[in-house]
Amino acid sequence: NAGVTQTPKFQVLKTGQSMTLQCAQDMNHEYMSWYRQDPGMGLRLIHYSVGAGITDQGEVPNGYNVSRSTTEDFPLRLLSAAPSQTSVYFCASSPKGQGFVRAFGNGTRLTVT
Amino acid sequence: GQQVMQIPQYQHVQEGEDFTTYCNSSTTLSNIQWYKQRPGGHPVFLIQLVKSGEVKKQKRLTFQFGEAKKNSSLHITATQTTDVGTYFCAGPPYYGGATNKLIFGTGTLLAVQP
Repeated sequence: NAGVTQTPKFQVLKTGQSMTLQCAQDMNHEYMSWYRQDPGMGLRLIHYSVGAGITDQGEVPNGYNVSRSTTEDFPLRLLSAAPSQTSVYFCASSPKGQGFVRAFGNGTRLTVT
Repeated sequence: GQQVMQIPQYQHVQEGEDFTTYCNSSTTLSNIQWYKQRPGGHPVFLIQLVKSGEVKKQKRLTFQFGEAKKNSSLHITATQTTDVGTYFCAGPPYYGGATNKLIFGTGTLLAVQP
């Protein structure tokens, strides 16, 4: 099992550009989520999904879109990048009903200039 | 909105000393979870406590969940250099929402000097 795979590991964008952060898991976990981590603020939930075709907003959803067409994939789209979106992004997954994060990806470090 | 604060933000100890981090939520939590993140790494799940007043141990680590389910603590006895990292608490709010809608604490960075 590869676990949770995130790509890319690093990305630099200019303000206004769009991009997609990829996340895939091979553990057949129903729950997937995206967090951003900023210094001194812990991890904040952006969007989450409880299964294919179902997504919902977390704490800080503005400026981000998600979709979940398959159990395995949960991409995060930045529609128009802003410097405030400079952060480290983590994708996570869990089996249904477990209630905690079983696996995190290795993270994507995004810089918006 | 709901906030989960941790104190201290940073703690530097000599190897062999004890360490405690405290987690305080502005609202009642369904459960409390603890994660460890090594420098440059991703968070790793350590434990989950569900019951009011619950205490669990993992070797040198002792976890407590407060009676009101709004606070928690993690105590490490006789720290080792392998304990270095940031410790986060997290929990879903106790309002019947999705249990995976976690709110993370601000984290405590532990540095251990050999």
